[in-house]
Amino acid sequence: GEDVEQSLFLSVREGDSSVINCTYTDSSSTYLYWYKQEPGAGLQLLTYIFSNMDMKQDQRLTVLLNKKDKHLSLRIADTQTGDSAIYFCAVALWGGNNRKLIWGLGTSLAVNP
Amino acid sequence: NAGVTQTPKFQVLKTGQSMTLQCAQDMNHEYMSWYRQDPGMGLRLIHYSVGAGITDQGEVPNGYNVSRSTTEDFPLRLLSAAPSQTSVYFCASSYSAGTNQPQHFGDGTRLSIL
Repeated sequence: GEDVEQSLFLSVREGDSSVINCTYTDSSSTYLYWYKQEPGAGLQLLTYIFSNMDMKQDQRLTVLLNKKDKHLSLRIADTQTGDSAIYFCAVALWGGNNRKLIWGLGTSLAVNP
Repeated sequence: NAGVTQTPKFQVLKTGQSMTLQCAQDMNHEYMSWYRQDPGMGLRLIHYSVGAGITDQGEVPNGYNVSRSTTEDFPLRLLSAAPSQTSVYFCASSYSAGTNQPQHFGDGTRLSIL
């Protein structure tokens, strides 16, 4: 079936790079999304990538997609304490007559000063 | 530009009570959806709508009703609240149901059923 997996926790030091990984099972994915959720808040779109791209860069964020291995990663350069949050990977499929979004369980990023 | 607005932010109900969670968006988005977020379960889709007058079930629709009489509003009704419905509820919207359309989320409603 369709599944998206993420590691649950990641701890980094302030100023280091963070890499959050996501693997998925469905090869018919079209767009892949990264969302950020801060405590007590909703999900905020960070970035997304089309499935025929290998990489997308947006300021401190770099998304890498290995379609062959069905592996997506989000790299945050120069990680700050304000980056502490839960990061969700979501994979969009076209399910017949409607979009289907498959969500990972989220990776909790802790940034230590 | 308010985006997606959810009310109330917090609510405590007794088992068997009914209530409506409100969701409004001001972006003229056609697609709206409701999710619940539970620890260890991630986000699960309850109901969604691809436009005014059109709704459909997600993966966990039981115990919930929706309607979409306007483009802007998409309320979620709990018919007879049960403790298993204790959760954080998120409303989200996107321009359309296309896979290239990112969803915009509200800040959530934290609901406790006693």
